[in-house]
Amino acid sequence: NAGVTQTPKFRVLKTGQSMTLLCAQDMNHEYMYWYRQDPGMGLRLIHYSVGEGTTAKGEVPDGYNVSRLKKQNFLLGLESAAPSQTSVYFCASGENWDYTEAFFGQGTRLTVV
Amino acid sequence: SQQGEEDPQALSIQEGENATMNCSYKTSINNLQWYRQNSGRGLVHLILIRSNEREKHSGRLRVTLDTSKKSSSLLITASRAADTASYFCATDAGGGNKLTFGTGTQLKVEL
Repeated sequence: NAGVTQTPKFRVLKTGQSMTLLCAQDMNHEYMYWYRQDPGMGLRLIHYSVGEGTTAKGEVPDGYNVSRLKKQNFLLGLESAAPSQTSVYFCASGENWDYTEAFFGQGTRLTVV
Repeated sequence: SQQGEEDPQALSIQEGENATMNCSYKTSINNLQWYRQNSGRGLVHLILIRSNEREKHSGRLRVTLDTSKKSSSLLITASRAADTASYFCATDAGGGNKLTFGTGTQLKVEL
């Protein structure tokens, strides 16, 4: 049981380049989330999905797009990377927060130069 | 803005001592969760306390929740070097199943 898997684990981009981060979960969870973590800022929610085919904006959605075409996958896209998007990105999945926790991937460390 | 704010930002203690971290939040919640993050790793769930609960225990962990003060505390008893990590509180404010995290407390347990 792999849980939540993120690919890639590390990436360096040049300003203006695009890339897609992939998150895959094998727990049949309805909800999936993308967070970014910056020093001293904790985790901030970028986008989330409450089911296949749905997406919604979180706290810091600008510069990112997402898609949830399959229940097990949640993709985060950067169309034109900027240095301000240098961060560690975490994907999480879960069910109803009333009774269960979030499961996190190991993170993707992205540097935009 | 962050829903939760942890206090202190950093804490250094000796092995065997107790560690207490506090979390304050801004709006009403359905539940509050605590997570641990080891350096360079993802977050791992520790404990969940619902809004109608006041105290919960799990092994060496004790969590309290005071909804009137919008605050929670995490107590780790008899700390070990392996407890060295960052600890985050997270709240579900009840709208859209969003889980919002605080800024974290960095705990260092020295031998």
